[in-house]
Amino acid sequence: NAGVTQTPKFQVLKTGQSMTLQCAQDMNHNSMYWYRQDPGMGLRLIYYSASEGTTDKGEVPNGYNVSRLNKREFSLRLESAAPSQTSVYFCASSEDQGGSTDTQYFGPGTRLTVL
Amino acid sequence: QQPVQSPQAVILREGEDAVINCSSSKALYSVHWYRQKHGEAPVFLMILLKGGEQKGHDKISASFNEKKQQSSLYLTASQLSYSGTYFCGTRSGSNDYKLSFGAGTTVTVRA
Repeated sequence: NAGVTQTPKFQVLKTGQSMTLQCAQDMNHNSMYWYRQDPGMGLRLIYYSASEGTTDKGEVPNGYNVSRLNKREFSLRLESAAPSQTSVYFCASSEDQGGSTDTQYFGPGTRLTVL
Repeated sequence: QQPVQSPQAVILREGEDAVINCSSSKALYSVHWYRQKHGEAPVFLMILLKGGEQKGHDKISASFNEKKQQSSLYLTASQLSYSGTYFCGTRSGSNDYKLSFGAGTTVTVRA
């Protein structure tokens, strides 16, 4: 099992450009999440999908959109990138629907720089 | 609301002990501990549920004080491999999908 995979690993964008970050998991997990990580800020939830066909906003959703394409895949789109979106983006998945023993498994991350 | 971790950073020599605290202003249902090595993804360590239980993973253990809404992670007889940034993630309810993460505690273990 590959676990959680993310593409690309690195990306440089110019302000105003758009791009989609891809995430896939092969663990048959129901829930998937997108986080951003900035120095000194920990992990902040952007969007999550509790199950296939549903998505909900997290703490910092502005400037992002998501698509739960199927049970395996959850993509994050930046429609018009801004320098404030320079960050490391992590995708995660978990088996249950927020259950008490739910563990989130993280992908390797995408390092995004917006110039 | 994000939990508060303390200290922000700690430097240890091999064999020394350390405690990392995670506090919340909200009632907690569960606390999740992760460790992240530089340039890598966070890796799950353990979950603690309300009820004041204590858990261990090798020489890393944790407790959860429900009354104080606080969890503590104990690094005992630290090894070089313990270096990294430790994050706590908290849930406020059994049906709460979201984890709120603290800002992290960077642990450096030196020979």
